[in-house]
Formats: sequence, C-alpha cells, structure tokens
Amino acid sequence: EADIYQTPRYLVIGTGKKITLECSQTMGHDKMYWYQQDPGMELHLIHYSYGVNSTEKGDLSSESTVSRIRTEHFPLTLESARPSHTSQYLCASSRDRATDTQYFGPGTRLTVL
Amino acid sequence: QKEVEQNSGPLSVPEGAIASLNCTYSDRGSQSFFWYRQYSGKSPELIMFIYSNGDKEDGRFTAQLNKASQYVSLLIRDSQPSDSATYLCAVKDSASKIIFGSGTRLSIRP
Repeated sequence: EADIYQTPRYLVIGTGKKITLECSQTMGHDKMYWYQQDPGMELHLIHYSYGVNSTEKGDLSSESTVSRIRTEHFPLTLESARPSHTSQYLCASSRDRATDTQYFGPGTRLTVL
Repeated sequence: QKEVEQNSGPLSVPEGAIASLNCTYSDRGSQSFFWYRQYSGKSPELIMFIYSNGDKEDGRFTAQLNKASQYVSLLIRDSQPSDSATYLCAVKDSASKIIFGSGTRLSIRP
C-alpha cells in the first residue's frame, strides 16, 4: 500500500494567483513525479526528481516549477495561475530499483477562474 | 509513432467474460511493463507489473509479455462491473523513463 499524499484535493482560484500544490510520501522513495491529466485524456509528465536537489522538466511544457529539498516532499508551484492551468495534477513516487513501480497520490483538481 | 500504444476503446465485454487489453511499445530495450487501472476522476492504481517473457497471474488478472513482438497484454477473467475503468499500460524504456499509454476504456455490461 502506497503512502503518498497530496493537498489540497480541490482548489478553485482566480487568475494571476500564486499557488503551491503539495505532495509528500512516507515510503522513502527516491524518485518523484508530477503529471497533468485532463478528464478522459492521457497523463503528461511535467516534472520529475531522482532525489534531493535533483529536478528535471518532463515532456509537457509547463509554467510550473518544483523543488526537492527533502526526500519526502516535492511541491509544485504556479507563479501566476491561468485558466489554461485548469486540470488534475497527480503526484507519484517510485523506489530507484529495477522495476521502478510508480505509486500515485489521490490528485489535486485545480480550477482557475 | 507513439512509444506506447493502446486502443482507446471503449471495449465492451459482457459480465463474466474475459476482457483482453493490448499494448505495444516501440523501444526494443524496454525493461519493465506495468498495468494500472484508473476509475473516472481518480488516480491510477497499480494492478501488476511484469518484466520477463511469458505470463504472470494475480487473481483474476494475467499479464502477458512478448518482447520479440514488443507486445504486452492484460487479461481479466470473470469480468465484473467494478472492472469498468480505463486501463493504462506503462513501459520503462531503455533510458529508464516510464512512458504511459493513453489508456483503454473498458466497460463491463451486466
């Protein structure tokens, strides 16, 4: 059973606001990921980290930033939210071993008005 | 060509029948293969992973891997209405990146 948490679960916010989506895992996993997913659509990798002080951009161009100061914590920040950022944001983590199985958090559904 | 391809469906299967979900991948050096289930509005949950050629069974689920044909499948026996969901295939490629397919929607009709 995966122990990965995301807060808030739902967020409605106005255009131009700065927001931070939180993701924490208690499994000691080295790798963490952020995905964006619109309803009924595929997952898009926006950021990932292989460990503390490691962050990389994913395949989807994103106006967000991430940080990895602690192993268990991988927050995602939008400096200025726009309606095009409305989506579901999913955090995942995996242990750096052969199979690299990813476990997902419950997600944050963001609506930007 | 997408790196991981799945038929988007919907795939409609009668209750009690076998549902067969397919996935092909382009990187011949891919190492590990995963099947996730995602209910509408929820996050993906791991069903099983496989990394050796052949079959791997877990309850009603069987994953089948054929590396020569670059093909991985998921069989669901005795399909139940609760199996209705989108099934995501994911592949760890030769660069150790995890690539997700776009998913197959499965509908189990009573």
